[in-house]
Amino acid sequence: GDSVTQMEGPVTLSEEAFLTINCTYTATGYPSLFWYVQYPGEGLQLLLKATKADDKGSNKGFEATYRKETTSFHLEKGSVQVSDSAVYFCALKVDSSYKLIFGSGTRLLVRP
Amino acid sequence: DTAVSQTPKYLVTQMGNDKSIKCEQNLGHDTMYWYKQDSKKFLKIMFSYNNKELIINETVPNRFSPKSPDKAHLNLHINSLELGDSAVYFCASSQGSGTGGNYGYTFGSGTRLTVV
Repeated sequence: GDSVTQMEGPVTLSEEAFLTINCTYTATGYPSLFWYVQYPGEGLQLLLKATKADDKGSNKGFEATYRKETTSFHLEKGSVQVSDSAVYFCALKVDSSYKLIFGSGTRLLVRP
Repeated sequence: DTAVSQTPKYLVTQMGNDKSIKCEQNLGHDTMYWYKQDSKKFLKIMFSYNNKELIINETVPNRFSPKSPDKAHLNLHINSLELGDSAVYFCASSQGSGTGGNYGYTFGSGTRLTVV
């Protein structure tokens, strides 16, 4: 079945460090890919998305490129801030399906 | 404010009780969802309604019953609560199957259910 695998956390970084959170997927169809962010005590917010191969989603300094050949959608940011501390979820949705399938989430902790 | 709103935000109840969680969206979306997030932050879809019609019904105990009186509301009723039901329950909505536009699914802020 369709699934998403994320790197285990927590990921602990110092402010201004480079961030990568790995995400790979398995899908029977041709999926759209998403990154959601959950700040403490809040719901999930869409961070960025990509709907076809080689698309790059970007928002708030975060980027991810849809790589069909490696079935990956890794999240990157060049310089993290303390305010980026949150749980990040990679997700996929196959065309015509209503089901958004999430990875297990990766907690990011940024220290001053 | 346009949003997905859930009530209550916190719910503490004893085993065996029956409780309901309510969700409303004013985004004009036609599809609504219930997700469960366990203590390890894992998110799993439970139910989905499209224009009041049940379209996703995952393997969930039949103690859980969703109800959608109209396309702006999706409630979750839980009978005979058990300790393992303790989790955060998120409501979400989307327009159609949710890939259009820049918003995908819009989530509520969650209901933290604690069964004691």
